[in-house]
Amino acid sequence: SQQGEEDPQALSIQEGENATMNCSYKTSINNLQWYRQNSGRGLVHLILIRSNEREKHSGRLRVTLDTSKKSSSLLITASRAADTASYFCATDTGANSKLTFGKGITLSVRP
Amino acid sequence: DGGITQSPKYLFRKEGQNVTLSCEQNLNHDAMYWYRQDPGQGLRLIYYSQIVNDFQKGDIAEGYSVSREKKESFPLTVTSAQKNPTAFYLCASSLGIAKNIQYFGAGTRLSVL
Repeated sequence: SQQGEEDPQALSIQEGENATMNCSYKTSINNLQWYRQNSGRGLVHLILIRSNEREKHSGRLRVTLDTSKKSSSLLITASRAADTASYFCATDTGANSKLTFGKGITLSVRP
Repeated sequence: DGGITQSPKYLFRKEGQNVTLSCEQNLNHDAMYWYRQDPGQGLRLIYYSQIVNDFQKGDIAEGYSVSREKKESFPLTVTSAQKNPTAFYLCASSLGIAKNIQYFGAGTRLSVL
């Protein structure tokens, strides 16, 4: 059962441009997380935003959360070729609930 | 990959054979998870364990089995009952279900001969 749905499914941009990826979900959440996966590797946690937060920053990453629209966005500023990866959002609905992952967005950053 | 070791990296299964995927963590995490990843499908939860000697089925447990005899180890057996085992398998751990930033291993790619 997939809660989060990312959009677009694939994104191709030029190095230096900003990349915006969106995640929508269906039911109320406790936390929303974003993960990155390089090809053939495990996932790496990027950032967690709680349901009572609206925006968080981490380096070149900016995450927003709109609980009224049940959506989140991940912005990567000044993208680099090394940002090429798949990005997943994951949600949980409260204490003792498991994470539910979306299908992911494939980001390609052209040098 | 963050203190979680999966082995082997590649595994081949013959028809009717059971195979076991290893997952070891040195992060002192209570919770561990197994996911299956197919192209375009994202991650699907197979089994998870919140504590030693306890585990729960996830969304796609049929054809799989697990054990959690030690805190550090959570092996996954793909049984002959799993008719479509070809996939990328990911193990993860977290401090607990409620503290659920997950740390992933590098994965095992299983193929059928």
